[in-house]
Amino acid sequence: TQLLEQSPQFLSIQEGENLTVYCNSSSVFSSLQWYRQEPGEGPVLLVTVVTGGEVKKLKRLTFQFGDARKDSSLHITAAQPGDTGLYLCAGARRTDSWGKLQFGAGTQVVVTP
Amino acid sequence: SQTIHQWPATLVQPVGSPLSLECTVEGTSNPNLYWYRQAAGRGLQLLFYSVGIGQISSEVPQNLSASRPQDRQFILSSKKLLLSDSGFYLCAWKVAMNTEAFFGQGTRLTVV
Repeated sequence: TQLLEQSPQFLSIQEGENLTVYCNSSSVFSSLQWYRQEPGEGPVLLVTVVTGGEVKKLKRLTFQFGDARKDSSLHITAAQPGDTGLYLCAGARRTDSWGKLQFGAGTQVVVTP
Repeated sequence: SQTIHQWPATLVQPVGSPLSLECTVEGTSNPNLYWYRQAAGRGLQLLFYSVGIGQISSEVPQNLSASRPQDRQFILSSKKLLLSDSGFYLCAWKVAMNTEAFFGQGTRLTVV
């Protein structure tokens, strides 16, 4: 059973459309992070959210952390082909003193011109 | 600046052969170190993590083992590889609870 559930698993959209990716859990996290991964490479951090209800914007990307710190979403406005990649959410649970980072299964996003 | 090196990038090994993947971090002290495995196009499964020299915690029972002989060196090993050990292995480090993880370039392991 995945600690962090991501949905959808796969998303294919046209350039210019909007998309939202969700990351949900029954556990409370001290922080949640979003990464993007290109094929054959390691994931690269996009953002870290720490405070419940927090909203962060990174150009066309908007990240939200749920009030209860159990879920998060990533919204991309006017998607571009360069946004194509595997989007992963990751979190460290409050009960985990070692700061282990657990990952969701990922959402594969494909943006076609 | 900090860097993480992971090698080899690609490896093809026969079933039953041993394995040794190495990961080293530069530019930081006493990092938390992690080994993950990733199935094609999917999320990362945490295999091992270490918070200090000689300290290893295993997340899932498996055919693999890990060691940390030096502060910034993390090794993933197997005595006899299985077909199911094939995958993309990633080493990562982080400093504190809410900080980001920095990943190596990964090793694509194919067991034949």
